[in-house]
Order: sequence, then structure tokens, then C-alpha cells
Amino acid sequence: DAGITQSPRYKITETGRQVTLMCHQTWSHSYMFWYRQDLGHGLRLIYYSAAADITDKGEVPDGYVVSRSKTENFPLTLESATRSQTSVYFCATLDPSGANVLTFGAGSRLTVL
Amino acid sequence: GENVEQHPSTLSVQEGDSAVIKCTYSDSASNYFPWYKQELGKGPQLIIDIRSNVGEKKDQRIAVTLNKTAKHFSLHITETQPEDSAVYFCAATSTNTGNQFYFGTGTSLTVIP
Repeated sequence: DAGITQSPRYKITETGRQVTLMCHQTWSHSYMFWYRQDLGHGLRLIYYSAAADITDKGEVPDGYVVSRSKTENFPLTLESATRSQTSVYFCATLDPSGANVLTFGAGSRLTVL
Repeated sequence: GENVEQHPSTLSVQEGDSAVIKCTYSDSASNYFPWYKQELGKGPQLIIDIRSNVGEKKDQRIAVTLNKTAKHFSLHITETQPEDSAVYFCAATSTNTGNQFYFGTGTSLTVIP
């Protein structure tokens, strides 16, 4: 089916471990984004990408790494997870040539023990 | 950068009453203002949006108003129904921000049957 797929939907890990959250889209939208959602903070931008091999920091990038070797994939890696990274993570895409609508995936809930 | 403030953080209304959520923004260059609805366990979904060249937009029971001079915009839901219960987010963006969307902290709306 067309759309955005995030995996895993739920993940429990331990402090210090590396975790990768995957995001895959079928639309070939040029822009992709990673947000984290925390109570009281709303949605905060971690990283975004304007196209394959182009990435840029958002509001809260520390502790995260991204890559975008293909237009359809935008993985988010926590190289050494910390408890403060316990959150719900949302991937989103944007087609700037269209209606400029930001479309979200279903989210990945990460718990760091 | 842009700063979006949203009020109230929680809102309870009786079924059939109206609900109003307000947002302010700081960057006068912002020109696109979407509203998202997030149901439990799901990603945010666009419900209505407005561009800076329009003062009001309506779609059935929901409407959005924009006051560019005062830099605020509001979501109005009339004849509320229990299925309107969700978290609502406002956002602002402009071409100057490289397609970055700035979100408010969310409003948890509860419609009491």
C-alpha cells in the first residue's frame, strides 16, 4: 500500500545500546522528517532531509544520526540510547511541488531502560 | 526561528457545544498554517489548513481563522461529537524555513457525551 511505514512500532532497549528506527515511503516525496513527541513539548524536529544524500539538523538533533542513501528510506539511529530519548518518534514526508502537506507515519514508541 | 504557542492545553466540552483552540506565531514570514488531529496511538493527520492570503476557511463543522496582523490563528469546531475527542496541533511554516514546520504543544480535547 502507498504511504509511510515506520518500524518497529514498539521498541524497548537499554541505556547505551544502538537503536535504529526505520522509515519508508512509497510516494517519492523529496522531503522527509523525523519528529519526537513528548508530553508538554508537542512535536519537535530532530532531523530532516530535502533529498537523497542531503540532511540537516532540526531543533533537537543531539544523540541522533540520520542517513538518506535512497529517496524512499530515512532511518534514524540512536548511537548510544539514553533514558531521555524515551519518546514517540514520527517520520513525515512532504511534497513541496504539491500542496505542501506534511504527512505522518503511525509512529514508533521507544522506551530506554 | 519560528515560535508557535497553543492554548489551551486541555479542553472539555459538552457534546453539541463549540470548541475553540488558539495559536500564535512569531515569524511574520510564515504563510501556511495547518491543523492536525491525533487520535490515540496514531500519527497526526491534517484536518484543515489556511494560507496567509486567506482570512477564513471552513470545512463542514471545522473552520480556521487567521489574523496576520496579530499573528494568531484559531481552530473552531462546532456541534462537537465524541469522535472529535483527540489531541489537536497547530503548526506554522514558510518557504524561508526550508519547509520546516513548527508545532504548538497540542490541545487535548474531550467531548463529553
